[in-house]
Amino acid sequence: AQSVSQHNHHVILSEAASLELGCNYSYGGTVNLFWYVQYPGQHLQLLLKYFSGDPLVKGIKGFEAEFIKSKFSFNLRKPSVQWSDTAEYFCAVSRPNTDKLIFGTGTRLQVFP
Amino acid sequence: DAGVTQSPTHLIKTRGQQVTLRCSPKSGHDTVSWYQQALGQGPQFIFQYYEEEERQRGNFPDRFSGHQFPNYSSELNVNALLLGDSALYLCASSWVGAGPDTQYFGPGTRLTVL
Repeated sequence: AQSVSQHNHHVILSEAASLELGCNYSYGGTVNLFWYVQYPGQHLQLLLKYFSGDPLVKGIKGFEAEFIKSKFSFNLRKPSVQWSDTAEYFCAVSRPNTDKLIFGTGTRLQVFP
Repeated sequence: DAGVTQSPTHLIKTRGQQVTLRCSPKSGHDTVSWYQQALGQGPQFIFQYYEEEERQRGNFPDRFSGHQFPNYSSELNVNALLLGDSALYLCASSWVGAGPDTQYFGPGTRLTVL
């Protein structure tokens, strides 16, 4: 069965620090990859996605993620975090031609001024 | 343009009872998916409805059932509630075949089972 692992459960950073959140998935076939973000009190929303092509994808608010097929990884990065990035971040995968998303357990990011 | 709305916001039930949660999709969307998010976990896919039929289903028992109405709104029903059913239930809507990245999530219904 497909699964998604997020190794960092809680990350605490100061503003301007760099961020990298790990995500690994277990599925040997073609997958679509996503990062979702849930800001405090808000709905889950899509941050970025990878379907095919350039393995380095850019999302909203300066976030990017790199798909490394050989490592089954899709890590999220941001060069310089802001206090407003405080949120819960979820990595997710889906198989092609299906809407079923499989989420990781999430990483809670706290950014202090 | 209203996004995805869910009702009620919070709900408290006791073990063995039945519960119905409701979801109105974003305007123009015809497909509704339901997810269960237990505390400290990521959302887990329950099922998806399109054209009033269940299209896909996750690994949930038959106690979880759903319905979609002609106006595309949807209900999630859970029978014989267990303590473990306590969770945030999320509804997501999209256009059929548009891809999982087009799903808009609602604010969720927080269900507590005592």
